[in-house]
This record gives sequence, C-alpha cells and structure tokens, in this order.
Amino acid sequence: AQSVAQPEDQVNVAEGNPLTVKCTYSVSGNPYLFWYVQYPNRGLQFLLKYITGDNLVKGSYGFEAEFNKSQTSFHLKKPSALVSDSALYFCAVGTGANNLFFGTGTRLTVIP
Amino acid sequence: DAGVIQSPRHEVTEMGQEVTLRCKPISGHNSLFWYRQTMMRGLELLIYFNNNVPIDDSGMPEDRFSAKMPNASFSTLKIQPSEPRDSAVYFCASRMTSVYTDTQYFGPGTRLTVL
Repeated sequence: AQSVAQPEDQVNVAEGNPLTVKCTYSVSGNPYLFWYVQYPNRGLQFLLKYITGDNLVKGSYGFEAEFNKSQTSFHLKKPSALVSDSALYFCAVGTGANNLFFGTGTRLTVIP
Repeated sequence: DAGVIQSPRHEVTEMGQEVTLRCKPISGHNSLFWYRQTMMRGLELLIYFNNNVPIDDSGMPEDRFSAKMPNASFSTLKIQPSEPRDSAVYFCASRMTSVYTDTQYFGPGTRLTVL
C-alpha cells in the first residue's frame, strides 16, 4: 500500500530564513511525488513534481524539493521565506494507479 | 485560460435535501477527479473518470453519493439525501491525459454545509 506522511502539522519560520516542509513516503514501486499549496478558501495549486531524473526539482515561487530514495523523503525547501508563502502545503505520491495519495498537510506560517 | 470551474462555491442545505455539485474541467483534459476535504480526514479521493468513464469509485462513502460525467466538459457529484456529516469542501481536479505522472489541476472547491 502506498502512503505519504507529513510529520509536522505546523511549521513556523521567520521571514528571510530558509524553510523546510518535510514529507516521507511509502510505496511498492517507483514513486511519483508532488507538492501542492493551498491558500485560504482556494483550491490546491501545483508547485512541483518528481518523476525521474535529477533528484533536485525546482518549482514555482522559488520552491524546490529533493528526492531522496534511501530516506524515502521528498522535503520541500525554499532559501528565503516570504510572508506570502504562509499557506497549507500538501505532499502527494502516485505509483502507477491513476490517483494520488495526499498527506495530511503542513501549515506554514512565515513570521514578519 | 480558465482553470477548473466549480459551482456553486458555497452551498448550505438542510439534512435530507438533495445536493448537486458541478465541475467543468480544463478544456482538453480527459481525466477528472472528485475529492473531499475535511479537518478530520484530510483530502480524500471519491471517484475519478478517464474519458468520461468512471474508473474507480471505491472512495465514494456510500450509496447516497453518485457522480456522472455525461461529456468531456461537465461532471456532477450528487448527494441524496444529504446528512450533516457530509459537510466538507469538495474539490474537482482535471488532468490532461490518463497518464498518472501528469499533473492534476484543482478547482476552487465547493464548501458544503448540511444543517
């Protein structure tokens, strides 16, 4: 069975500091990993995905994520956080079925 | 370029009433997904369609829920009769192809409140 875990419900970071939102996964085959962001009263917006190739994936708004197969992780990172990055972040994994399994979400708060 | 369109954005109804949620996927996309989001259960896949055909409805909670996709540009999710525990935000998403590595694009959601 496939699953994804976001171990932190809440992450607080000061504006200008680097941020990391953690994600680990469990799959039986090759994973396909996605990050989405949800702003209040909005739908999920696609940030980036890893399918194959370079382990470091760059996405929208300056975000990037690193696929680590040995640690089964796909942490989301940004070098310098903005207040506008405050939102709910979802990691998702797919493995060949036609749907994605989403984590429970991590609420990021960037403090001015 | 219009994204996924959902209507209504908000729906308040009384227990026992029929509720119909609507979704227009991105033009040219041939996979469509219905999700439900609650605080307790997070984001759950209810059903998805490829080329208008339901592929997996194992996430539909019970027979009170039904979904249709009569054509490539329209889908409905119906709850009859509705119950307070159905209160949630319902999202529709579409994907260009049936290839699972393609990105799903989400609509703004319908916030359903059943009194």
